[in-house]
Amino acid sequence: DAKTTQPPSMDCAEGRAANLPCNHSTISGNEYVYWYRQIHSQGPQYIIHGLKNNETNEMASLIITEDRKSSTLILPHATLRDTAVYYCIVKPGSARQLTFGSGTQLTVLP
Amino acid sequence: GAVVSQHPSWVICKSGTSVKIECRSLDFQATTMFWYRQFPKQSLMLMATSNEGSKATYEQGVEKDKFLINHASLTLSTLTVTSAHPEDSSFYICSARTGTANYGYTFGSGTRLTVV
Repeated sequence: DAKTTQPPSMDCAEGRAANLPCNHSTISGNEYVYWYRQIHSQGPQYIIHGLKNNETNEMASLIITEDRKSSTLILPHATLRDTAVYYCIVKPGSARQLTFGSGTQLTVLP
Repeated sequence: GAVVSQHPSWVICKSGTSVKIECRSLDFQATTMFWYRQFPKQSLMLMATSNEGSKATYEQGVEKDKFLINHASLTLSTLTVTSAHPEDSSFYICSARTGTANYGYTFGSGTRLTVV
């Protein structure tokens, strides 16, 4: 499975966009990019996922580079409630489970 | 959306006793559920994959006789920590694959186990 690299921590001002990067340079053609977040002492929450096209939903946007070797999760207007650990996960289509890396601790500052 | 209910949310038990954690899919059927363990300031580590009607698949290093998994129905999987010790204290989280394109995997809220 492709491994992911994320910065261990980031800060963002409340109301501003939070851009969380993820490198997955060994990604294969059939591997999806998933983003989950985990607020302290809770189970992970699904945010968004994509294969090669950019995706947007009510929570966030996912920008995947053309070579698919990296992606960025964008929270357009961060709030204090967005403070969490954000996990970028690359999963082959054939794999049944999600494998978590170390993630990025995003702290939204007032 | 798909909901996975996990119970209890926290439990304290004495060393040597057993603890059962339940994971239910509320509005969908889950033939496969996943059990993770998370120690403080660490990421989630997959312990085992629970298969409805058959034996669970354990990850390397996870003792199957200590962490008993039962998946007797399409909506319920249980994890029993047997003969618990303080080093088993952790945050246990279950997950189920919903099979929908938008969500894929839904997680329970987790169980904080403290063994004293």
